Amino acid sequence: SQTIHQWPATLVQPVGSPLSLECTVEGTSNPNLYWYRQAAGRGLQLLFYSVGIGQISSEVPQNLSASRPQDRQFILSSKKLLLSDSGFYLCAWSTPGGWGGYTFGSGTRLTVV
Amino acid sequence: AQSVAQPEDQVNVAEGNPLTVKCTYSVSGNPYLFWYVQYPNRGLQFLLKYITGDNLVKGSYGFEAEFNKSQTSFHLKKPSALVSDSALYFCAVRDISSFKTIFGAGTRLFVKA
Repeated sequence: SQTIHQWPATLVQPVGSPLSLECTVEGTSNPNLYWYRQAAGRGLQLLFYSVGIGQISSEVPQNLSASRPQDRQFILSSKKLLLSDSGFYLCAWSTPGGWGGYTFGSGTRLTVV
Repeated sequence: AQSVAQPEDQVNVAEGNPLTVKCTYSVSGNPYLFWYVQYPNRGLQFLLKYITGDNLVKGSYGFEAEFNKSQTSFHLKKPSALVSDSALYFCAVRDISSFKTIFGAGTRLFVKA
C-alpha cells in the first residue's frame, strides 16, 4: 500500500535561519507531489507542485522553494525564514491524473521566532 | 476558472442528529468533487469523491454526499452525528481541463453530546 512520510512534525526556527522539510512517498511510482501551507487552521494554499523529477511549478512567489531530487522525494526549502513563514505545512501526493484524490502527510508545524 | 465555496465557517449539531456541511462549486467542464476531513494537527484525510455515476456517493465513517448538477452543489451528509465527527471539513473540486485541485476554506463541525 502507498504511504507518505513527512518530517519533522514540529519545528521552531529563528528568523533568518534556513529551512528544509522533507516528504517521501512509498508504494507508488511517478506520483504528482504537492506542498500546501495552512494558516490559522483553515484554508489551504498551494505552494508548489511537481509532476516529475526536477519539474517544479510555483503557485505563489515567496520566500520558499521546492525540489524533487528523486521520484518519490519532495523537499521544501528556504534560505532565510521570515516570521510570515510560520504555519502548518502539508505534503500530498496523487496519481498523475489526480482523479482519485490526494493523500496527505501528517504535516509539519513551523513556528518562526 | 474553477472555484469552490463552503458558505458556513461552522456547523453545530447535537449527537444523534443528522448533519449537513454545504459546498458549492464552479468549473468550466465536468466536475470532479471531493470531501476531506482534518483532525487537529493532522493532515487531511480523504472521505469520498464524485467522478461520475450515481449522484449519491457513500464514503468513509458513514458519510455521504449528494451531487446536484443544477444547483452546482456537493453537500456532505451523515444521518446520525457522533461527537467524534467534530473536525474541519474541506470540499475540493477539479475539472478535466485543469491540473489543480482547488480546496474550499473549510467548515468546522462541532457535535455536542
